[in-house]
Amino acid sequence: EPEVTQTPSHQVTQMGQEVILRCVPISNHLYFYWYRQILGQKVEFLVSFYNNEISEKSEIFDDQFSVERPDGSNFTLKIRSTKLEDSAMYFCASSEQGASYEQYFGPGTRLTVT
Amino acid sequence: SQELEQSPQSLIVQEGKNLTINCTSSKTLYGLYWYKQKYGEGLIFLMMLQKGGEEKSHEKITAKLDEKKQQSSLHITASQPSHAGIYLCGAALDAGSQGNLIFGKGTKLSVKP
Repeated sequence: EPEVTQTPSHQVTQMGQEVILRCVPISNHLYFYWYRQILGQKVEFLVSFYNNEISEKSEIFDDQFSVERPDGSNFTLKIRSTKLEDSAMYFCASSEQGASYEQYFGPGTRLTVT
Repeated sequence: SQELEQSPQSLIVQEGKNLTINCTSSKTLYGLYWYKQKYGEGLIFLMMLQKGGEEKSHEKITAKLDEKKQQSSLHITASQPSHAGIYLCGAALDAGSQGNLIFGKGTKLSVKP
């Protein structure tokens, strides 16, 4: 069964460093998303991406964050100048057609900023 | 502000018992998603409901969306230890949404053997 994959499963970085989180969405899906979940809190939407551009983003997704689809299979989230409060589980998700379609999540990358 | 309320926050049931988890919004839900999450892991898709009055079932889990599309319930029949986990409801609250979902805080389910 097709699934969303994410690497790495756990990333530890020092404050101020840049990290890139990687995702491989399900192959025939066209909409891609990043969410985050700070420990003990709700899952929060960060950004959606369609047709090689951002379609929606939340207030959390500021200039510190960027997304890219560098090739036909990968979808990345870059976090520049990481802060302690960026420590969270980051989930990638994909959907065949966006709203009103099933949205599948990856296993997540746990980011720890020290 | 709390846009999706889940109740109860946690639930402990004896194996074999039925249970219901609720998800309520003050706004119309344009797509209601149910996921299961084990602590520290990813979200496993369970079901998606769109139309008012819609009901879907998979194995022993049934989800319903009310006619007004502001409340959904997830019902588990004859619970098993494998049903234990955190159940999350997520929803699009905007008719023009590209699929960005708002989530509730989750309901932690424990099933005693």
